[in-house]
Amino acid sequence: GQNIDQPTEMTATEGAIVQINCTYQTSGFNGLFWYQQHAGEAPTFLSYNVLDGLEEKGRFSSFLSRSKGYSYLLLKELQMKDSASYLCAGLDSNYQLIWGAGTKLIIKP
Amino acid sequence: DTAVSQTPKYLVTQMGNDKSIKCEQNLGHDTMYWYKQDSKKFLKIMFSYNNKELIINETVPNRFSPKSPDKAHLNLHINSLELGDSAVYFCASSPDPGSYNEQFFGPGTRLTVL
Repeated sequence: GQNIDQPTEMTATEGAIVQINCTYQTSGFNGLFWYQQHAGEAPTFLSYNVLDGLEEKGRFSSFLSRSKGYSYLLLKELQMKDSASYLCAGLDSNYQLIWGAGTKLIIKP
Repeated sequence: DTAVSQTPKYLVTQMGNDKSIKCEQNLGHDTMYWYKQDSKKFLKIMFSYNNKELIINETVPNRFSPKSPDKAHLNLHINSLELGDSAVYFCASSPDPGSYNEQFFGPGTRLTVL
């Protein structure tokens, strides 16, 4: 079956760094997405990885290891506005997104 | 200049009623989606349309019927609403069903069935 696993909740301190992990099992693989979702709002796109390695985009970076079925989202210089859920989603061979349940990130001052 | 819009944003109704949620995108995308996000926050794909044609139809009760009058609109009609239908419903669009591109989500419709 297809499955996306990520931690339910994480807590970090303002100004610090946090890494949110995601492991995936999909029927075929056409890439991995990370989305951010603030409470009561729609998900918004953060990153897309299809090749192994680290993609950096400002304070956010996303890493992929296809051989391990593993990805992480790295958030640096955390700000209070980064408090949100972070959704990992794998794109399977039918180009269908398989979504994780999201990791709720709580930032403390 | 909302990219993907949904109406209504909130919908409260009684069990057994029939209701519709409308979605429109002004991005010129070919593909549109309906997702259900339940209280556990899982986003589950329900339907996907490409250029007005159904391409994904997950295991969803046939009380749910999508309608795409044109590629900019994908409406969701729900018959005989049940308590378990309470959730947030998101409409989304992407340039094509290949989905290497990001999906753009509407603001969501919070449906509460009493």
